This record gives sequence, structure tokens and C-alpha cells, in this order.
Amino acid sequence: AQSVSQHNHHVILSEAASLELGCNYSYGGTVNLFWYVQYPGQHLQLLLKYFSGDPLVKGIKGFEAEFIKSKFSFNLRKPSVQWSDTAEYFCAVTRGNNYGQNFVFGPGTRLSVLP
Amino acid sequence: EAQVTQNPRYLITVTGKKLTVTCSQNMNHEYMSWYRQDPGLGLRQIYYSMNVEVTDKGDVPEGYKVSRKEKRNFPLILESPSPNQTSLYFCASSVELNTEAFFGQGTRLTVV
Repeated sequence: AQSVSQHNHHVILSEAASLELGCNYSYGGTVNLFWYVQYPGQHLQLLLKYFSGDPLVKGIKGFEAEFIKSKFSFNLRKPSVQWSDTAEYFCAVTRGNNYGQNFVFGPGTRLSVLP
Repeated sequence: EAQVTQNPRYLITVTGKKLTVTCSQNMNHEYMSWYRQDPGLGLRQIYYSMNVEVTDKGDVPEGYKVSRKEKRNFPLILESPSPNQTSLYFCASSVELNTEAFFGQGTRLTVV
């Protein structure tokens, strides 16, 4: 079965530190990849997505992610985090030509940024 | 404003008392789905619908029902809720399968 793993359950950083959150998926075919963010008490919002083309994807709020097909990875990065980035981050995968299961989410990584 | 609206936002109920959580989207999206979010497990898909009258099971459909009689609405029905259905529920819609999903604000359900 298709699965998504995220390397860290909880990451704690100081403001201005660099961030990298790992995401790996198990499906070997064509995939669409997403990172969603959930701020405390709120719904999920899209940070960025990859469908095809340049494997380095830029999203909102200074986030970017790199798709490495050979490693089945889609890691999220930000050069300098802010206190307002404190949230839970979810990696998600969908298969490119699938009429069944839609999104498969990772378990999430909670990011705490200390002021 | 484009949005997915869920109601209620918070609900406490007793075991066995039927309930419905409504979901409505105003973006004319064909694809809608329901997820539950539990600590350490992320979001797991309960049911999805690819169009009116077309629904199918996701990862964790047991104990839930859905219907899609109109394109904009996709209610989640718990015929006989149990405490293990205590969770945070999200409805989502997207213009088509495998594209960006727009999420509702969530419904926090507690079954006692």
C-alpha cells in the first residue's frame, strides 16, 4: 500500500535557524506531491505542490521543496524560520493516474519556533 | 470567497446517537472527500466522491456513511457513533482528482 513517512515528529528551532523537514513516499509510479501547513486551531492550507517539471518548487511564505525521484523524497526547506511558522506540516502524495484513493498524508511534523 | 464550510465546528454526543456533519463548497468542484485527523496518524481518508451520486471508501470507512446528492454538498453521517470516532474531521474539495485540495475548518467531534 502507498504510504508517506515524515522523518521527525517534533522539531524545535530558534528564530532565523534553517529548516528541513523530510518526507518519503513508497509509491513508484507517477506522483503528485504536496506540503500542507496547519496553524494551531486552523484547517490545512497548501504550502506548495509538485506535479512535473523543475524538481525545485517554491511555495508561499519562503518555503521550497525538492523532489528527488531516485530517493522517493520531497523535503521541505526554509532558510530562516520565524516564530509565525510554528505549526504542523503534512506531506501528501497522490498518484498521477488514479481513479481510487486520493491523498495519502504523512503523520505530520510539529514545528515549534522559539522567539 | 471560495471556501469549504463545515458544520458544526464542535460537537459532543453520546454513543449511539445518530449525527450528521455537513460540508458545502462553493467552487463547483467535482471531487470531495472526508478525513479524520488523529495525533500521530496524520489525516486518513474516510470516503470520497468523484461526482454526484459517485462515492467510494477511503482508508477508514467503517462506521461512516456519506451521500452526494448535489455537487456542492457532501455530508458525513455517523449512524451509531462510538467513542473511537472521537476525532477532528475535515472535509475537502478539489477541482479534479489528484489536484490541490481545499479544506474546511474542521469539526471536532467527541463521543462519550
